[in-house]
Amino acid sequence: DQQVKQNSPSLSVQEGRISILNCDYTNSMFDYFLWYKKYPAEGPTFLISISSIKDKNEDGRFTVFLNKSAKHLSLHIVPSQPGDSAVYFCAATSGGSNYKLTFGKGTLLTVNP
Amino acid sequence: DGGITQSPKYLFRKEGQNVTLSCEQNLNHDAMYWYRQDPGQGLRLIYYSQIVNDFQKGDIAEGYSVSREKKESFPLTVTSAQKNPTAFYLCASSRDRAYGYTFGSGTRLTVV
Repeated sequence: DQQVKQNSPSLSVQEGRISILNCDYTNSMFDYFLWYKKYPAEGPTFLISISSIKDKNEDGRFTVFLNKSAKHLSLHIVPSQPGDSAVYFCAATSGGSNYKLTFGKGTLLTVNP
Repeated sequence: DGGITQSPKYLFRKEGQNVTLSCEQNLNHDAMYWYRQDPGQGLRLIYYSQIVNDFQKGDIAEGYSVSREKKESFPLTVTSAQKNPTAFYLCASSRDRAYGYTFGSGTRLTVV
């Protein structure tokens, strides 16, 4: 059973526009969420995170929104740049999981010049 | 600079042979993890360890083994019992939830 779902395998946007990547989760025990960015043949790098006590967290061009009632979070990238082209993974963890992250399958973002 | 080192970057193995992937970290993190990435499958947890001399199975542990004799090291052995070993393997470590994981650069294993 997939507890973290990224239903869009790919997304294509124009440079300068907004990219919105979505993530849904089913485990109500999850209380901390993270986004990672991954280039081919490299390890993922941490982007931004959010605790369940918040509904929004910003870091420069990246903003994560959390809707607990809908069990949904989204990552907004504004403005999108060609260097943002990568696979983005959503991940979640709960207080009792001893830091273990559960990942979604990822969304390939392509930003076209 | 602190980080996680995975070696080798590319590895070829003949069917029926065991192979060990190296993972070393100098971040002084207690917890370490092994994930596998396959196309369209995301990252799936193989094994994880929270302290030295202790480790737990993840979601897809069959055909794999690990050891944690030192805090800095968490090698993964892919045994001949693993039916589909060709994949991209990622090692990670973590300090606490707020910072998530730090990942290594990965090892691409190909069975020939």
